[in-house]
This record gives sequence, C-alpha cells and structure tokens, in this order.
Amino acid sequence: ETGVTQSPTHLIKTRGQQVTLRCSSQSGHNTVSWYQQALGQGPQFIFQYYREEENGRGNFPPRFSGLQFPNYSSELNVNALELDDSALYLCASSPPGDSSYEQYFGPGTRLTVT
Amino acid sequence: AQSVSQHNHHVILSEAASLELGCNYSYGGTVNLFWYVQYPGQHLQLLLKYFSGDPLVKGIKGFEAEFIKSKFSFNLRKPSVQWSDTAEYFCAVNSPTSGTYKYIFGTGTRLKVLA
Repeated sequence: ETGVTQSPTHLIKTRGQQVTLRCSSQSGHNTVSWYQQALGQGPQFIFQYYREEENGRGNFPPRFSGLQFPNYSSELNVNALELDDSALYLCASSPPGDSSYEQYFGPGTRLTVT
Repeated sequence: AQSVSQHNHHVILSEAASLELGCNYSYGGTVNLFWYVQYPGQHLQLLLKYFSGDPLVKGIKGFEAEFIKSKFSFNLRKPSVQWSDTAEYFCAVNSPTSGTYKYIFGTGTRLKVLA
C-alpha cells in the first residue's frame, strides 16, 4: 500500500512568484488536508478537500488556494509568495468511514522563499 | 478558539528513564485526541489516538496516553525510553462536530534520549 506522496521535495522561489505543490493521497483515501509547518512550530491547518470541494479553511489568506482531482490527488497553490511562506508544507489524507478522523501525513515539501 | 499547549519544548532523558509529555487543549466539546511522532528526517507518524471509551490508550512502541476530561489533558507516557525514541512529538486535537477533519497541533516537544 503506497502512502501519501508529495512533490517536489524541496523548492526555492523568489518573493512575488507563484508555486504549486502536489500531493497523492493514500490509496482509498478521499479527503486531503494541507498544513504549513514553520520552523520550530507545529503544523497549522490551511484547508481541506473532500470530493473535490473545499471543506474547511484555516486562517490563511486567499492567495493560498487548492484543488482536488477525481483521483483524490491534490494541489496547493500559493500566489505572490512572501518570505514568511518559507515552511514545510504537509499533505495528509484520510480514509472514508469510521476512520475518517485519522490523518496520514506525507513527507512534506520544503519551500524556501528568498 | 481551539488551542493545544505542550508545555515541555525540549526534554533530555537518559535511556531507561520514564517519560511523560504534557498536552492540554482548550475546547469544551467532544474531541478526538492524537499523538504524532516525527523522527529525524521522517514524516509525521501516528503514535496513538483517542476517540472514545477507555481513557487510557495504548499506542505503538510502548507509548500510552491518558485522557483526563476534567483537566483537558492528554499526556503521553512511556515507562522506559530508548535512544531510538529521540524525535519530536506533537499532540493534536480534532473536533468531530466542527464539520471538518482539521487538526489543531501543539508546538511540539523535542525529546533527546542519551545512550
């Protein structure tokens, strides 16, 4: 069983640019959540997707947007990058049914904004 | 707003010492509680979870946690740590009535176990 995968592993961008991060959910999982983990902090919830619709959003500005595809994979897009966007971005997927509150995390994408 | 507090930011123990990491949350409703571990260079892994029932839950690798509702706490314990337990530990809370599955994480506790 393949776990959650994310690409790319590392990324360096310049302030003002746009970035797209990708996530493939674990097989059979239909919900995807994205988190931002700044250095020395716990992950912070960005948003969640269920059946290709946004299903909850944290305290992040609209320049953070996402998509979920029919195969449940997902993208996180960040426009007009700022230096404070430098962080580890984590994707987590959840199975349907009784275990839907369990989240399985990918290895993350380390984004550096210069 | 919901929040999770982990009061110990850094803990250093010798092998075979006992471990207890504190976690307190602020939310008055029904909660699901989790402990995750992040080993150096690896992704977050679920150690244990509490949804309902017996407030003492056992997880992987000899870890356990006790949910004390009156104290809004979910402390993680291990009777005897090993060098391989060196990692960062995160407590997380989810509210099943919130309509989403979002987790609120604490800031983490870095555990270093000396051989």
